[in-house]
Amino acid sequence: GENVEQHPSTLSVQEGDSAVIKCTYSDSASNYFPWYKQELGKGSQLIIDIRSNVGEKKDQRIAVTLNKTAKHFSLHITETQPEDSAVYFCAAFKPHGSSNTGKLIFGQGTTLQVKP
Amino acid sequence: DAGVTQSPTHLIKTRGQQVTLRCSPKSGHDTVSWYQQALGQGPQFIFQYYEEEERQRGNFPDRFSGHQFPNYSSELNVNALLLGDSALYLCASSPGLGDYGYTFGSGTRLTVV
Repeated sequence: GENVEQHPSTLSVQEGDSAVIKCTYSDSASNYFPWYKQELGKGSQLIIDIRSNVGEKKDQRIAVTLNKTAKHFSLHITETQPEDSAVYFCAAFKPHGSSNTGKLIFGQGTTLQVKP
Repeated sequence: DAGVTQSPTHLIKTRGQQVTLRCSPKSGHDTVSWYQQALGQGPQFIFQYYEEEERQRGNFPDRFSGHQFPNYSSELNVNALLLGDSALYLCASSPGLGDYGYTFGSGTRLTVV
């Protein structure tokens, strides 16, 4: 099957605290895992991604970890700021057959609120 | 450099009507994918176009159809609209069929009444 479960659905943190969002995917063929930040009127912006041959990737305050065996991947935001408030989506790229094409399967989203 | 442009941004249609949504991909991108995002849900894959052909299709009825033009822009058509078709429709472009470089537009908010 093809399914991505994302938790929590809502997350409220105090400015400066860390936030963690977790996702689980079902298709072991998935090999690429991007995270998107969605804000009203701004579309969905890619904030970080990771491939299945890497366990962790960091970009300033944002990091992503991947446990391929458990089919889990997580987004970590440190030193949160009010401008981090948005809806975050995880996704798994599911290859289509033996071609290099495929599609993104998205989680349900997490609404992150960072309180000043 | 303009990113992915979608039009219109909002529209309201009546049940049974037909609607056409438009997408201009990011410069340098030749592949367009369409997603439906219901309120409070993650985007669901509708279909993908490359070289003016539908390359993949998600679990959506035939009422949903599309087209890609020689300039790589794309249209999403929905016939016989249902209330359940109300959603944010997202277009994503990419440089080829692989997983790299997906860029999303801001979407078209469709309301069916």
